[in-house]
Amino acid sequence: DAKTTQPTSMDCAEGRAANLPCNHSTISGNEYVYWYRQIHSQGPQYIIHGLKNNETNEMASLIITEDRKSSTLILPHATLRDTAVYYCIVRVETGTASKLTFGTGTRLQVML
Amino acid sequence: EAEVAQSPRYKITEKSQAVAFWCDPISGHATLYWYRQILGQGPELLVQFQDESVVDDSQLPKDRFSAERLKGVDSTLKIQPAELGDSAMYLCASSSRPGLALPYEQYFGPGTRLTVT
Repeated sequence: DAKTTQPTSMDCAEGRAANLPCNHSTISGNEYVYWYRQIHSQGPQYIIHGLKNNETNEMASLIITEDRKSSTLILPHATLRDTAVYYCIVRVETGTASKLTFGTGTRLQVML
Repeated sequence: EAEVAQSPRYKITEKSQAVAFWCDPISGHATLYWYRQILGQGPELLVQFQDESVVDDSQLPKDRFSAERLKGVDSTLKIQPAELGDSAMYLCASSSRPGLALPYEQYFGPGTRLTVT
């Protein structure tokens, strides 16, 4: 699986959009981009995934560049409850279940 | 909403003692994972089960760690003897059977925080 690079930490004001970048310059054509987050003292939680197209769900939006070498997770209106570590992961979907390879993620602090 | 259950939530043990963690995945999920998370790092896979069979235990320290999922439902992870370096969060996750859902989102339990003294 391709390696990802994320900033160590970011701050965001409550109510503002939080834009979390991820670099995955060695991604292969069949690798998906996943985002998970981990709130303090809890297990990781799935947020969103994508292959080529931009994706949106009730939690967030995922913007993937045309060359697929980077992506941005957008939380449109961040709240204090969004304070967490956000992990960007790339993984091949082979038709069999496989592990997630986590990096150290981005620690997002949402402030009043 | 269905959840992955783990127990205990916290465990303090002395080095050289045995310790065991239990996980009950979401009903119907065929794949079960045990991850270890050291403070400040992301989770790292220890072992993966497909039903009752181990499909990946390449990162499991087999001299002291063992894992089983005898009936393909719940699972136990054991450490014997525990060492100071085993202090970490132990996370269990599950996902549905391949072919039933893409892209195999993993659902994590709350974890067991182990402290070895």
